[in-house]
Amino acid sequence: QKEVEQDPGPLSVPEGAIVSLNCTYSNSAFQYFMWYRQYSRKGPELLMYTYSSGNKEDGRFTAQVDKSSKYISLFIRDSQPSDSATYLCATSETGGFKTIFGAGTRLFVKA
Amino acid sequence: DVKVTQSSRYLVKRTGEKVFLECVQDMDHENMFWYRQDPGLGLRLIYFSYDVKMKEKGDIPEGYSVSREKKERFSLILESASTNQTSMYLCASSGTGRPDDQPQHFGDGTRLSIL
Repeated sequence: QKEVEQDPGPLSVPEGAIVSLNCTYSNSAFQYFMWYRQYSRKGPELLMYTYSSGNKEDGRFTAQVDKSSKYISLFIRDSQPSDSATYLCATSETGGFKTIFGAGTRLFVKA
Repeated sequence: DVKVTQSSRYLVKRTGEKVFLECVQDMDHENMFWYRQDPGLGLRLIYFSYDVKMKEKGDIPEGYSVSREKKERFSLILESASTNQTSMYLCASSGTGRPDDQPQHFGDGTRLSIL
């Protein structure tokens, strides 16, 4: 079993839809939870991160962590074609050191 | 904003060549990382460094070495390039201490082709 599981998609939605991206993880010691956005032929860009549990909101993006079920989510409201990218979840016990990445979900937002 | 700069976006080399990939970060981060990213395999850690002149093997170090002579610079070396090392190479850095410093930040990658 992988330490972080993420559905590779692709996920295709119309512009303006609410997008839900999800990952599960297996190690209860993980404390840092990150979401990265990666456009084609570019490096991953840190989008959101949370420490410990709870929700974090930044504009149209909301990250949620449910440690009881080991489930992490990213919600994108009012999705735009420019949100079309691969989204990687990541988690870590110690922050930036040993980070485990999901395989990434490919998202397409159609105009 | 954190800036991680990789020296080349695209590189084409021949089998058997010694290849150097360079990475520089401007945030005074202690930790630096080299990954390769391949379709269907995700990000795989090659080597990382938590201090100048310190290095640790990641999950797939075979055929690679690294050098960290200065805090801001981390080099990946392919000792004798082979075609199975054709890949996207990503450098990342992260800090220690405050939670805000801890997530890794990535460069834009070097797409390396070995012919």
